Amino acid sequence: AQTVTQSQPEMSVQEAETVTLSCTYDTSESDYYLFWYKQPPSRQMILVIRQEAYKQQNATENRFSVNFQKAAKSFSLKISDSQLGDAAMYFCAYRSAGSGGSNYKLTFGKGTLLTVNP
Amino acid sequence: EPEVTQTPSHQVTQMGQEVILRCVPISNHLYFYWYRQILGQKVEFLVSFYNNEISEKSEIFDDQFSVERPDGSNFTLKIRSTKLEDSAMYFCASNPNRANTEAFFGQGTRLTVV
Repeated sequence: AQTVTQSQPEMSVQEAETVTLSCTYDTSESDYYLFWYKQPPSRQMILVIRQEAYKQQNATENRFSVNFQKAAKSFSLKISDSQLGDAAMYFCAYRSAGSGGSNYKLTFGKGTLLTVNP
Repeated sequence: EPEVTQTPSHQVTQMGQEVILRCVPISNHLYFYWYRQILGQKVEFLVSFYNNEISEKSEIFDDQFSVERPDGSNFTLKIRSTKLEDSAMYFCASNPNRANTEAFFGQGTRLTVV
């Protein structure tokens, strides 16, 4: 079974600064997808960014980028120019790329609570 | 933009009562899921549903739980006899097809069992 580990229960960053959230995972599969989801106080799950394991290029979405190290099974999220609205719980998630609907379930880490200080 | 809709947003129920949580997935999606998040903990997979049947369920999804898609649009999660430990946020999610990797989540239903 796959596992996802987020070793930082809490992180804080000053507004306009950069912060990196860590995520490692364990899998025996070679093809999979990785995601970062944001959960603000409203508790809605919002997709931040995704990475396909077969792509060597790191995904980027505006101020959000990832550092995907497949051999090390590491998938960190970098938030640049942090804004007050970035404050939220961030979850790293894994999904197999296998066939069949059952393989599309997400396995989540425990989350990192990000605080943005003005 | 299409979205997954869940109702109600908050449900309070007496222990031992049955509760039904409702979800309307995005219309052309084929794969449906329920996840649970106990307060302060991680999001956990409960069940996946495809082609009108359960394709996978976790050990959390015991005989007290059931899912169905009665009319081709709604996707429901029923808890037959609620326990205090069922208090959690329940999220519905859907995928359009196997080629698409992104799961779209609803806004969640907060279930409180008293």
